Amino acid sequence: NAGVTQTPKFQVLKTGQSMTLQCAQDMNHEYMSWYRQDPGMGLRLIHYSVGAGITDQGEVPNGYNVSRSTTEDFPLRLLSAAPSQTSVYFCASSYSGTSLLAKNIQYFGAGTRLSVL
Amino acid sequence: DAKTTQPPSMDCAEGRAANLPCNHSTISGNEYVYWYRQIHSQGPQYIIHGLKNNETNEMASLIITEDRKSSTLILPHATLRDTAVYYCIVGGYQKVTFGTGTKLQVIP
Repeated sequence: NAGVTQTPKFQVLKTGQSMTLQCAQDMNHEYMSWYRQDPGMGLRLIHYSVGAGITDQGEVPNGYNVSRSTTEDFPLRLLSAAPSQTSVYFCASSYSGTSLLAKNIQYFGAGTRLSVL
Repeated sequence: DAKTTQPPSMDCAEGRAANLPCNHSTISGNEYVYWYRQIHSQGPQYIIHGLKNNETNEMASLIITEDRKSSTLILPHATLRDTAVYYCIVGGYQKVTFGTGTKLQVIP
């Protein structure tokens, strides 16, 4: 049981390049989400998904795309990287995104540290 | 999800109890309160959650006021390893936002 796995751990991009940050979980969780964390700041929600085929925007979605074709995977795509996207990216998953009463404990990956030059 | 308010920073002497407050005055009647912490640059880690009653586990205790508008996370005997940013979350489903949390510094 690996939990939430993020790859790569580190990445350096040039402005304008595209890339995909990978996130996979093996806990059969319905809810998955992506956050970014800038130095000295809290986590800001980028996109989230309450199940396969369903995604929605968070607080800071611009410049990022997501899709959820399987329960296990939730990749985050940067179509044209900008220096403002230099950050640490965290993926998280929890049991259910649709129930008020569910104990939705979130499990986080170790993060991807991205630098855009 | 309901919004939460936490002090930006707190200090605590090693071995003493750390009491971290959180205000969540707009919480709905069936929304849980969750606490997480983030040590250095690691991914946040779940600590404890509760609905109405006080809760305790091996890491901490959670005290929720009767009106549920605020809560306090208690680390009974803080150690240097408890130095971290602590986040209070309400709801915990759908669009989960974290805010900036409380930076707890445990002092030797």
